Amino acid sequence: GAGVSQSPSNKVTEKGKDVELRCDPISGHTALYWYRQSLGQGLEFLIYFQGNSAPDKSGLPSDRFSAERTGGSVSTLTIQRTQQEDSAVYLCASSSGTGLLYLSGNTIYFGEGSWLTVV
Amino acid sequence: KQEVTQIPAALSVPEGENLVLNCSFTDSAIYNLQWFRQDPGKGLTSLLLIQSSQREQTSGRLNASLDKSSGRSTLYIAASQPGDSATYLCAVLSYYDKIIFGKGTRLHILP
Repeated sequence: GAGVSQSPSNKVTEKGKDVELRCDPISGHTALYWYRQSLGQGLEFLIYFQGNSAPDKSGLPSDRFSAERTGGSVSTLTIQRTQQEDSAVYLCASSSGTGLLYLSGNTIYFGEGSWLTVV
Repeated sequence: KQEVTQIPAALSVPEGENLVLNCSFTDSAIYNLQWFRQDPGKGLTSLLLIQSSQREQTSGRLNASLDKSSGRSTLYIAASQPGDSATYLCAVLSYYDKIIFGKGTRLHILP
């Protein structure tokens, strides 16, 4: 696609429910990032996928959070048993290049985000 | 652990003024540094990317500099306009391919 596409754009869910957020990166981009931004806060790194390598999950805040990337393209971030503190905008970004991102100095492109509200 | 700090957190200036936004990072082992703009309720838009071997990059009224040894970058905006009002974020790509963001500077240009 022309840009990074995220869905849903807005989601209101009840505490305790599971939610799935989808990210469709720019075609051909091998790197995919998920970030979380709470109200008035900076971007918090969650997880990073690069090609077929094992993802860097070091930013996932708890075991309620998981993400997968199928076929090296679309990614789904799943939050189980949502809590009110999970309310935030979840941003996905993608970038081209190989594992050696630094060689090409590639820009990363962000989607518009999925705004999650847990009530 | 890489940490990125942006000062000031918020800034209001009259239209037409030149201004400087600051970004500092604790670990100089970076590949590149990128400045983004975020409008309310929107995603991030890339403004400038500086490779670790470069000292500065320019795009229109924007100029970004990088001093890797001191862990600092500045974003210079010339002749500010009300349309420049947004949050500006600095991000560094570390040697572990993890992009770390600062918390941003909220800029308000007064007409």
